[in-house]
Amino acid sequence: KNEVEQSPQNLTAQEGEFITINCSYSVGISALHWLQQHPGGGIVSLFMLSSGKKKHGRLIATINIQEKHSSLHITASHPRDSAVYICAVYGNQFYFGTGTSLTVIP
Amino acid sequence: EAGVVQSPRYKIIEKKQPVAFWCNPISGHNTLYWYLQNLGQGPELLIRYENEEAVDDSQLPKDRFSAERLKGVDSTLKIQPAELGDSAVYLCASSPYVGYEQYFGPGTRLTVT
Repeated sequence: KNEVEQSPQNLTAQEGEFITINCSYSVGISALHWLQQHPGGGIVSLFMLSSGKKKHGRLIATINIQEKHSSLHITASHPRDSAVYICAVYGNQFYFGTGTSLTVIP
Repeated sequence: EAGVVQSPRYKIIEKKQPVAFWCNPISGHNTLYWYLQNLGQGPELLIRYENEEAVDDSQLPKDRFSAERLKGVDSTLKIQPAELGDSAVYLCASSPYVGYEQYFGPGTRLTVT
């Protein structure tokens, strides 16, 4: 049983499209993290949130604690956004999703 | 500010050989994590340190894996003896406190032949 489920697993979009990646979790948490991993690259933390919504540039992350669900949105997607996006939650330990592989085509 | 440093970046060894990985976290970060990441998977926690104390090592295969964090700063992760199934990327991450934003190192890609 996976404590964190992400959807979709794979996503291909045309440059400029609005993208949504979803994360559902089954444990009680104090924080949810969105991470980005480029092919062959390290992992970078994009957001840490425990309620509401956060925005960094073209990236927006929302969380609904009652529904145990979070979404990561990318507006005006660009090929450099191509990466794996990982959702992780922290309750008494970290649980990681398996990631969503995003490819943005020019 | 320097990020999390790991070495080596790549390591190829034969099975049954020992191997060690080193991690230098961001200065002042109390919490240090070692993760294993297989291709196409998310990171899996091996061990978490709060300062020099290992507070979560439940997923560490203790028959062959060991770790230490002397003086609550640098950490090493050792595998002895290595098995073919240990081939993976070993990631180190640090954060100011547990549950806070983690900063990941570049990882060590281990290949066991």
